[in-house]
Amino acid sequence: AQTVTQSQPEMSVQEAETVTLSCTYDTSENNYYLFWYKQPPSRQMILVIRQEAYKQQNATENRFSVNFQKAAKSFSLKISDSQLGDTAMYFCAFMIGYTGNQFYFGTGTSLTVIP
Amino acid sequence: GAVVSQHPSRVICKSGTSVKIECRSLDFQATTMFWYRQFPKQSLMLMATSNEGSKATYEQGVEKDKFLINHASLTLSTLTVTSAHPEDSSFYICSARVSGVWNIQYFGAGTRLSVL
Repeated sequence: AQTVTQSQPEMSVQEAETVTLSCTYDTSENNYYLFWYKQPPSRQMILVIRQEAYKQQNATENRFSVNFQKAAKSFSLKISDSQLGDTAMYFCAFMIGYTGNQFYFGTGTSLTVIP
Repeated sequence: GAVVSQHPSRVICKSGTSVKIECRSLDFQATTMFWYRQFPKQSLMLMATSNEGSKATYEQGVEKDKFLINHASLTLSTLTVTSAHPEDSSFYICSARVSGVWNIQYFGAGTRLSVL
């Protein structure tokens, strides 16, 4: 079974500061992808960043970067220079590389950026 | 980026009626689409996988006769909630996988269903 765990239901950060959201997962697969999605109050799911499990180099997208520790099955998201628009629910997700391609989502972390 | 249009965004209906929700990929073909349900302040739970031209695959515990899925074309999947009851009230989200690219999906904006 595949599971994704986000242990921080809520977090807050001051504008312009850095925050790290945690995610751990469990799988016996070797070929998979990891994702962070953002869901603002509009409820639209927006892809923030993704990581291929076979790549050792951590993915980065502008102010967003991940710390991917494959052996520890950990996939944390770091948001630098936090902006008010970053306020949202953040979901960590996992996808097996060759099957039905469904997402396994974590329970989410509600992030509030404080002005 | 690619766009997935989900319609309607909000629907209120009486108990016992059926409601159809559409999910369209506007600028790409989607052989496979997924339907999720999201309760307030909770994660997305996969309900079913919809494949163009074939029957949908439902997750355990999801009633196929209650949630009818049709994927008649490469750009359209529909979810019909039949004989809706208040417990079916929820937020429903679809996602579409780009044909031939298994690891890229785009999400619709969701449909809030309220059954009175």
